[in-house]
Amino acid sequence: EVQLVESGGGLVQPGRSLRLSCTASGFTFGDYAMSWVRQAPGKGLEWVGFIRSKAYGGTTEYAASVKGRFTISRDDSKSIAYLQMNSLKTEDTAVYYCTRLTYYYDSSGRLRGDAFDIWGQGTMVTVSS
Amino acid sequence: DIQMTQSPSSLSASVGDRVTITCRASQSISSYLNWYQQKPGKAPKLLIYAASSLQSGVPSRFSGSGSGTDFTLTISSLQPEDFATYYCQQSYSGYTFGQGTKLEIK
Repeated sequence: EVQLVESGGGLVQPGRSLRLSCTASGFTFGDYAMSWVRQAPGKGLEWVGFIRSKAYGGTTEYAASVKGRFTISRDDSKSIAYLQMNSLKTEDTAVYYCTRLTYYYDSSGRLRGDAFDIWGQGTMVTVSS
Repeated sequence: DIQMTQSPSSLSASVGDRVTITCRASQSISSYLNWYQQKPGKAPKLLIYAASSLQSGVPSRFSGSGSGTDFTLTISSLQPEDFATYYCQQSYSGYTFGQGTKLEIK
């Protein structure tokens, strides 16, 4: 069964750090880009960032709201993606979802799009004093 | 940044109804548009990718259409399990979600 399981959430004070983990199973983790999406209580979905597979350089991209504070990394040998969150703010309070990012191609090999096709159950992060 | 606007924000409908949700992008995004369903307390689930392709395992009563800036998600005959919140999301430049459409039972 294809599965993502997040861990590491909890209560943290503003300005402190927290690291979330996302453990994957049921697919070849190293072949996929991995992303994080968050949802503040009662609000909509917000993309946080993603990391490409090693085949595409393993590089990262981030939303403007977290750039410079959050870092995504991966350990393909353990099938784990990480979200390191520094200088946390109260507005970072949210459920954080780990997602698999899949690219879709047509029969000619041309990219048709990409989507978050597998989601973890989410882990709650509360930033409060 | 590309903004995504869904309408309506909420919708009441009955089992068996045909329902359409629209999503508009602030600039052309070709067909780089996905739809997700989220039930309370659960993670979102991918329904439609690349504007009109049905994700594996998703019932055929769900369909998507559109390109450029205007997109629609249609549920042909509402089932009890379809009452949820639906989000569109663009992947043309970064990733942005619409604000969501809450589909409630009439």
